[in-house]
Amino acid sequence: EPEVTQTPSHQVTQMGQEVILRCVPISNHLYFYWYRQILGQKVEFLVSFYNNEISEKSEIFDDQFSVERPDGSNFTLKIRSTKLEDSAMYFCASSGDRGDQPQHFGDGTRLSIL
Amino acid sequence: GEDVEQSLFLSVREGDSSVINCTYTDSSSTYLYWYKQEPGAGLQLLTYIFSNMDMKQDQRLTVLLNKKDKHLSLRIADTQTGDSAIYFCAVVYSSASKIIFGSGTRLSIRP
Repeated sequence: EPEVTQTPSHQVTQMGQEVILRCVPISNHLYFYWYRQILGQKVEFLVSFYNNEISEKSEIFDDQFSVERPDGSNFTLKIRSTKLEDSAMYFCASSGDRGDQPQHFGDGTRLSIL
Repeated sequence: GEDVEQSLFLSVREGDSSVINCTYTDSSSTYLYWYKQEPGAGLQLLTYIFSNMDMKQDQRLTVLLNKKDKHLSLRIADTQTGDSAIYFCAVVYSSASKIIFGSGTRLSIRP
């Protein structure tokens, strides 16, 4: 069964450094998402992306965050200058040709900011 | 506002049925989901129900939706030790494609 893959599984970064989290969505999916889960808290929506532009973003997704689909397969989340509070599990998801179809999640990237 | 609520813990005896409950606030929801998260793993889509359905059954899983009360439940029949996980109720709203997650219910199985 096709799946969403994320790399790396764990990223350790110094505070203030830039980090790029990578995702390969399911190949025929058109909608892409990033969510995060701070340890012990709810999974929170960050951003949705369709047709090469952001569809919606949450208030968490400030100017330090950006997303890109650099080629036909990858979908990336960049955090420009990481803060301690960015430490979390980041999940990528994708869904088919309608935005309300089931979203399939990757296994996540654990981001640890030192 | 959009909110999804679940109880945090559930403990059942192996072989019994587990029922995990969820309530949500916004009635414009389209799809309602149950995701399973095992320790250290990602979010596995377990099952989902469209908002015009009352019930969906898939092997050991039964989803019940009461739109009037904005209540969703997941029943796992013959609960096994492999069912130990956190179960997230999640709702998609028609106004946006984002998912709003509950806080998750940790299911533990007693021998």
